[in-house]
Amino acid sequence: DVKVTQSSRYLVKRTGEKVFLECVQDMDHENMFWYRQDPGLGLRLIYFSYDVKMKEKGDIPEGYSVSREKKERFSLILESASTNQTSMYLCASSYGIGPDTQYFGPGTRLTVL
Amino acid sequence: DAKTTQPPSMDCAEGRAANLPCNHSTISGNEYVYWYRQIHSQGPQYIIHGLKNNETNEMASLIITEDRKSSTLILPHATLRDTAVYYCIRASGTYKYIFGTGTRLKVLA
Repeated sequence: DVKVTQSSRYLVKRTGEKVFLECVQDMDHENMFWYRQDPGLGLRLIYFSYDVKMKEKGDIPEGYSVSREKKERFSLILESASTNQTSMYLCASSYGIGPDTQYFGPGTRLTVL
Repeated sequence: DAKTTQPPSMDCAEGRAANLPCNHSTISGNEYVYWYRQIHSQGPQYIIHGLKNNETNEMASLIITEDRKSSTLILPHATLRDTAVYYCIRASGTYKYIFGTGTRLKVLA
């Protein structure tokens, strides 16, 4: 059974804190993604990675960075969390280019106070 | 403008067909239409996709208009477990997909 896991389901942080969101996949997929999901806006791509140590900006990369040191792990970093980064964060991995090849984790609901 | 628009919510009686529309009037010739659904507290899950022909699988059917400016996802016999948010997505061979805002479908007993 395919699996994408995220380190926390719920997280509460203070403004200005450095925040790490971790994602691990056990499917040996080349590609990994970070999205944020907000009411009325659907899913928006923050960053994706198509190989170890490779990354590309998505549609809303500002305020975020990522790290992919191992194939199975993709981390999203908020260098200095702000209240407008309160959101649901979804990680996904895929074996191909199309959305039909993509598998999502359960999400992390981050609240920044 | 690359918007993909969906109604925010719909209700459907259990056992009836649920028809979920999506407007993608600016779709380009090489963009496929995909549908995901997201059940509460889970990540999105792929349902079906198509380019210009109608498609059917074990979960749903996809009807794409001849001009490709809109499509409809059909769940032929909706059950309570189909209550979810349904996303229409455009994708054209890159990793950047254009997501619709989603339709919250509520199946009523």
